[in-house]
Amino acid sequence: NAGVTQTPKFQVLKTGQSMTLQCAQDMNHEYMSWYRQDPGMGLRLIHYSVGAGITDQGEVPNGYNVSRSTTEDFPLRLLSAAPSQTSVYFCASSFYSANYGYTFGSGTRLTVV
Amino acid sequence: QQPVQSPQAVILREGEDAVINCSSSKALYSVHWYRQKHGEAPVFLMILLKGGEQKGHEKISASFNEKKQQSSLYLTASQLSYSGTYFCGTVVYGGATNKLIFGTGTLLAVQP
Repeated sequence: NAGVTQTPKFQVLKTGQSMTLQCAQDMNHEYMSWYRQDPGMGLRLIHYSVGAGITDQGEVPNGYNVSRSTTEDFPLRLLSAAPSQTSVYFCASSFYSANYGYTFGSGTRLTVV
Repeated sequence: QQPVQSPQAVILREGEDAVINCSSSKALYSVHWYRQKHGEAPVFLMILLKGGEQKGHEKISASFNEKKQQSSLYLTASQLSYSGTYFCGTVVYGGATNKLIFGTGTLLAVQP
């Protein structure tokens, strides 16, 4: 049972490049979220999804897109990378809603130069 | 909207107790607690769903005061393994969905 799998683990991008961070879970969880973690700022919610085909914005959605075509996958797309998007990105899932414990992936460390 | 945690950091000796507080300016429906060790992902500790509920996890317990919009995490007889950053998360309702918003964290260091 893999839980929540994120790829890649590390990535360096040039300003203006686009890329997709992958997130997959095998626990049949309906609810999935993306957070970014920066020093001193905790975990900030980017986007979340309550099920396949349904997504919504979090606290810091600008510059990111998401889609949820299957229950298992929830990719995060950076449209045009900026140095301010240098961060550690975590994907998390929970059984049905935000009122269940979250399982986190191991994270993607992204550097934009 | 982000819950406020206090203290920001605390240093303990093994066997000492600590309390981490989490407060919100918005009505709380439930509170999560997580621990994150350096370089790792956050790990779920517990969730409190009812006002005044107190739950436990090993020697770590928490309380939730719905009226005061506060939650506290209690670590008793701390062990070296308790070191890490603790995050509270509060569930915010928006229309038909809910989302989890985290505080900025409390760094706990337990020394021998």
